[in-house]
Amino acid sequence: AQKITQTQPGMFVQEKEAVTLDCTYDTSDPSYGLFWYKQPSSGEMIFLIYQGSYDQQNATEGRYSLNFQKARKSANLVISASQLGDSAMYFCAMSPTGANSKLTFGKGITLSVRP
Amino acid sequence: GAVVSQHPSRVICKSGTSVKIECRSLDFQATTMFWYRQFPKQSLMLMATSNEGSKATYEQGVEKDKFLINHASLTLSTLTVTSAHPEDSSFYICSASTGDGGYTFGSGTRLTVV
Repeated sequence: AQKITQTQPGMFVQEKEAVTLDCTYDTSDPSYGLFWYKQPSSGEMIFLIYQGSYDQQNATEGRYSLNFQKARKSANLVISASQLGDSAMYFCAMSPTGANSKLTFGKGITLSVRP
Repeated sequence: GAVVSQHPSRVICKSGTSVKIECRSLDFQATTMFWYRQFPKQSLMLMATSNEGSKATYEQGVEKDKFLINHASLTLSTLTVTSAHPEDSSFYICSASTGDGGYTFGSGTRLTVV
């Protein structure tokens, strides 16, 4: 079984500053993928970044980077230069490697960017 | 990229009626579709996994007779909420595996049962 834990309460960040959203996970699968999604108030799920469990380098996608610490089982999302449009709910998720595997979500973190 | 079109985006129905939600993969073949339910400010809870041409696999606690899932083709999966009641009001969202380890989501359906 897989478990994703996101324990931070609502997060606030000043515009243009960086923010880290925490995520820890637990799994017995030897190979897995970690995902971060953004969900604005409209409800759509926007894919942000992916990290494979065997990837040597931390994933980066524009202003998003994933601080992957395998031994600690953590996959924190770092958003640099926050923008007002970053205000949303953020979900960490994971799935075993392999086509058509189930995606398990954490409970999410609400991020508010202050002008 | 892979796109899943979900309709309707919003629906209001009367208690006791049934509502069908469709998810279509527009530019790829979705052999597997996942259906989630989400309450306000909460996480996505997996309801069921549907595979083209076979019966859906429901998660524990999900009533299969209430939430009928059909995946008759590689591009269409439907969720029918039968005899809907106010407690079924929620946000329903589908997701398809893109086959390369990624997932693409529909835009979601807000169901309100009055």
